[in-house]
Amino acid sequence: RKEVEQDPGPFNVPEGATVAFNCTYSNSASQSFFWYRQDCRKEPKLLMSVYSSGNEDGRFTAQLNRASQYISLLIRDSKLSDSATYLCVVNERYSTLTFGKGTMLLVSP
Amino acid sequence: EPEVTQTPSHQVTQMGQEVILRCVPISNHLYFYWYRQILGQKVEFLVSFYNNEISEKSEIFDDQFSVERPDGSNFTLKIRSTKLEDSAMYFCANPRGRSNTEAFFGQGTRLTVV
Repeated sequence: RKEVEQDPGPFNVPEGATVAFNCTYSNSASQSFFWYRQDCRKEPKLLMSVYSSGNEDGRFTAQLNRASQYISLLIRDSKLSDSATYLCVVNERYSTLTFGKGTMLLVSP
Repeated sequence: EPEVTQTPSHQVTQMGQEVILRCVPISNHLYFYWYRQILGQKVEFLVSFYNNEISEKSEIFDDQFSVERPDGSNFTLKIRSTKLEDSAMYFCANPRGRSNTEAFFGQGTRLTVV
């Protein structure tokens, strides 16, 4: 059974803080890795793909450790608008997406 | 940015009734997915549809579910006899990006079975 595990949180942080989320996946055949963001009662939206070499998009940095089957997301200088649930998502090539349950982030003034 | 459009945004139905959820995917896309998310739970795969055929389905997608492409552009998800536990958000999605592995989701239909 393919599983993606995340700490559900919530993570409560002040504006400007740095926060990190972790995720583990069980299927060693997984080939593609993503972080999605989901606002309350809205659709998931792609935040960033995660590459083996790690990648950065502005305040967001994603890392992948294939040996440990572990994915991370780092958010620097948190904004109020970053408050959302962050979904860790994996898939095998040509297959469907397997979602984690998500980690809730609450950024306060 | 291209959109995946779903209707209705919210559907309330009585247990045992049939419901049809509709989706207009990104134009000219052959691949198409339905996912669902029960309140407070994770997003779960239901079915993928490629070139007018089901290509993969999950154990959730049992005989009460069906997916069709009634015309060239719209997709439907039909639930024949709804149960209380079918209450969820239903999302359709198109793949995109490198190797078509990323997914672009519609805004969802919230189904409430009473």
